[in-house]
Amino acid sequence: QLQVQEVGPGLVKPSETLSLICNVSGGSISSNGQYWDWIRQPPGKGLEYIGTLYHDGSSYYSPSLWSRLTISADTSKNQMTLKLGSVTAADTAVYYCARRLATPLGAGALDIWGQGTTVSVSS
Amino acid sequence: DIQVTQSPSSLSASVGDRVTISCRASHNISTFLNWYQQKPGKAPDLLIYAASSLQSGVPSRFSGSGSGTDFTLTISRLQREDIATYSCHQTYSNPPTFGGGTTVEIK
Repeated sequence: QLQVQEVGPGLVKPSETLSLICNVSGGSISSNGQYWDWIRQPPGKGLEYIGTLYHDGSSYYSPSLWSRLTISADTSKNQMTLKLGSVTAADTAVYYCARRLATPLGAGALDIWGQGTTVSVSS
Repeated sequence: DIQVTQSPSSLSASVGDRVTISCRASHNISTFLNWYQQKPGKAPDLLIYAASSLQSGVPSRFSGSGSGTDFTLTISRLQREDIATYSCHQTYSNPPTFGGGTTVEIK
């Protein structure tokens, strides 16, 4: 059964770069029919889209974050990574990785989620 | 960006009640609309995809309807374990966007 788990530093200082890893087990991160999304949720707020890693290794970023964001895959480790630069307190959130269905009938739904990792930006 | 607006932002209902949550998109998104349930401290779970398809393992009291710009999530008979926040999610065009969420409480 496919599972995902986020790994992160917990605490990041303002202006530094946040690095997160999404470990995928029980299946290949580069299989057809799926993409991989990063989603975040600030404390007490709703879900916010960050970006998508496509199975060909390309990516799409939220327009509000693209200038600070890099999403990539390490297929040898079956991992996806997120790097978000110049972080501020507004980047404090629970960060999730999730599988996105890429089939026509799947409507891009996020059907498998990690448990999330909490990131706080503070000096 | 396509905006998705959920209503109400919160509701209180009794066990056994029929509950409906609405999601309105700012543009026609066909049926590229999904619904999630999120319990406190947990990751969201997919309930409904493609506007009306029930995700495997989800109780049949949950249903979704709509197309174009107006969508509805219905819980036919509210159970205590349905206490959660429900969010809609459009994937018709990039960037995908989420509704603000509806918190369901027991009266």
